[in-house]
Amino acid sequence: ETGVTQSPTHLIKTRGQQVTLRCSSQSGHNTVSWYQQALGQGPQFIFQYYREEENGRGNFPPRFSGLQFPNYSSELNVNALELDDSALYLCASGETDTQYFGPGTRLTVL
Amino acid sequence: EDQVTQSPEALRLQEGESSSLNCSYTVSGLRGLFWYRQDPGKGPEFLFTLYSAGEEKEKERLKATLTKKESFLHITAPKPEDSATYLCAVQGYYGGSQGNLIFGKGTKLSVKP
Repeated sequence: ETGVTQSPTHLIKTRGQQVTLRCSSQSGHNTVSWYQQALGQGPQFIFQYYREEENGRGNFPPRFSGLQFPNYSSELNVNALELDDSALYLCASGETDTQYFGPGTRLTVL
Repeated sequence: EDQVTQSPEALRLQEGESSSLNCSYTVSGLRGLFWYRQDPGKGPEFLFTLYSAGEEKEKERLKATLTKKESFLHITAPKPEDSATYLCAVQGYYGGSQGNLIFGKGTKLSVKP
């Protein structure tokens, strides 16, 4: 058990809608990162938050946004969903260099 | 551009047949190299972190090694429960407390009884 939980487990949305995914990190983990994993690919870095501030971002458009809260929870928001946004979304947290992943949220966009 | 390439893409072994998975990387400044195991539909499970060339780490039937350009994950006498996708990732000095992980596409390992 990594102590990282995510909700919901699965989600189905239609193109153009907005979605919010949630993550709860282990207490004491000040850094949380979000990744997108398409089928058959490795995870791709979306962004990272450290003490509620974004401090790193991958090659994703601004319609991907996030929040981190003082209680070690965080959110990933995606606006104007596209078909290519269908993927497993992973959140990861850690105290040092090692990041521990949650089980993921499977998002399907129709 | 920082990059991670894993080979082979897929590997089928008989139970007890040892083998190695390869991870080649290019990164401007290596902060750490990570191995994860991922079962279908689940999040990656942390296995090892390696920081410098020559470093080795072991866990049960798995042993990870690191050189300046690649890492190997050696699997000794594998069992069917070792079947999974093994992901390699590198972390560079991008700023912030951790930086992002750059992953390879993974090696899908199948171990037949």
